[in-house]
Amino acid sequence: KNEVEQSPQNLTAQEGEFITINCSYSVGISALHWLQQHPGGGIVSLFMLSSGKKKHGRLIATINIQEKHSSLHITASHPRDSAVYICAVLNAGNMLTFGGGTRLMVKP
Amino acid sequence: NAGVTQTPKFQVLKTGQSMTLQCAQDMNHNSMYWYRQDPGMGLRLIYYSASEGTTDKGEVPNGYNVSRLNKREFSLRLESAAPSQTSVYFCASSQQLISTDTQYFGPGTRLTVL
Repeated sequence: KNEVEQSPQNLTAQEGEFITINCSYSVGISALHWLQQHPGGGIVSLFMLSSGKKKHGRLIATINIQEKHSSLHITASHPRDSAVYICAVLNAGNMLTFGGGTRLMVKP
Repeated sequence: NAGVTQTPKFQVLKTGQSMTLQCAQDMNHNSMYWYRQDPGMGLRLIYYSASEGTTDKGEVPNGYNVSRLNKREFSLRLESAAPSQTSVYFCASSQQLISTDTQYFGPGTRLTVL
């Protein structure tokens, strides 16, 4: 079983929809990252969470340490949000373990 | 600032050939990383450098070597390329090694080994 599981693997939405991407992990962690990989391949860090919730523009990330679960929400989705969203956890070895990503397509 | 730059962007090798992937950052970061990304799998850490002059193995180091030439540059070498090394390679950097710090990624190098 992978340490980090993301769901769904693929997601298609209509512009304006509220989107949720989930990340579950099986080990104790001290922090969790959400990253965005653009269609051209570039990777950008969105959030780093160790507890609670963070918001940046239309993006909201939450984490529940007890349940070993994090969610990334996108409000009022737009075609430019189309990308692969990647969850990564900071494990006991102090290195990041990455999930396989969720491919999001937002249609106009 | 260019951030993290990588060269080349694309490369095709034959089995057994060698090559070096170059990475440089202009953010004065202490720590640098090399990852590979394969279809259906998450990014996996190959090697990292906590600071200038130090390097350590990550999750998948076999078949690779690295050099932290100076604070700015961190290169990845394939001595004898194999088809299993066909992948997209990303270099990243962060201010400190502890991974609560934001990592900044380069644009990637797409490598095909025939």
